[in-house]
Amino acid sequence: GESVGLHLPTLSVQEGDNSIINCAYSNSASDYFIWYKQESGKGPQFIIDIRSNMDKRQGQRVTVLLNKTVKHLSLQIAATQPGDSAVYFCAENISGSARQLTFGSGTQLTVLP
Amino acid sequence: GAVVSQHPSWVICKSGTSVKIECRSLDFQATTMFWYRQFPKQSLMLMATSNEGSKATYEQGVEKDKFLINHASLTLSTLTVTSAHPEDSSFYICSARSAGTGTDTQYFGPGTRLTVL
Repeated sequence: GESVGLHLPTLSVQEGDNSIINCAYSNSASDYFIWYKQESGKGPQFIIDIRSNMDKRQGQRVTVLLNKTVKHLSLQIAATQPGDSAVYFCAENISGSARQLTFGSGTQLTVLP
Repeated sequence: GAVVSQHPSWVICKSGTSVKIECRSLDFQATTMFWYRQFPKQSLMLMATSNEGSKATYEQGVEKDKFLINHASLTLSTLTVTSAHPEDSSFYICSARSAGTGTDTQYFGPGTRLTVL
């Protein structure tokens, strides 16, 4: 069936470096995408979203890039900090749909001191 | 804004007992709430979709008589795990979607850790 997946299950970066977490999606009808951060023992926390009429959106220290041609989504974290260590999930949906989000498998980001 | 709470945050119960978990949207009205189950180092698994005032829609393989869902108001949904067994031990997370137009974002609660002895 349709799915959203991640290229890398784990990612380790040095504190202060930039992190890039990738995600591939397969439903070409999807037009709304979200990145969530989940710390151990906690629920997913909304980070940033993007709609398909955009290819880039920036937040505080985070940037999401969307490439609809290859159905690829990425999350860039600038100047990664220890507090960024968590599992990051991408999710996709169709705007206005009653469906729930479709989640990727998650990437564990570990920030090294 | 867009805060979702869950209660309790953790619970330990004996096998055969029932446990109720509450999910509340604190600063918005949620027409739809979702219940997920998550095992360690895995993604979220949708259990059911709950719409205010109507019966929940369960995903394939989820027993509706075991996992009772009630969405009585636009700010509250409950999940009751009936006759809990050790295999029901898991991290249960709810999410809520705003009733506003053009809102597709789901906001998640902090989760409830259930341990069945």
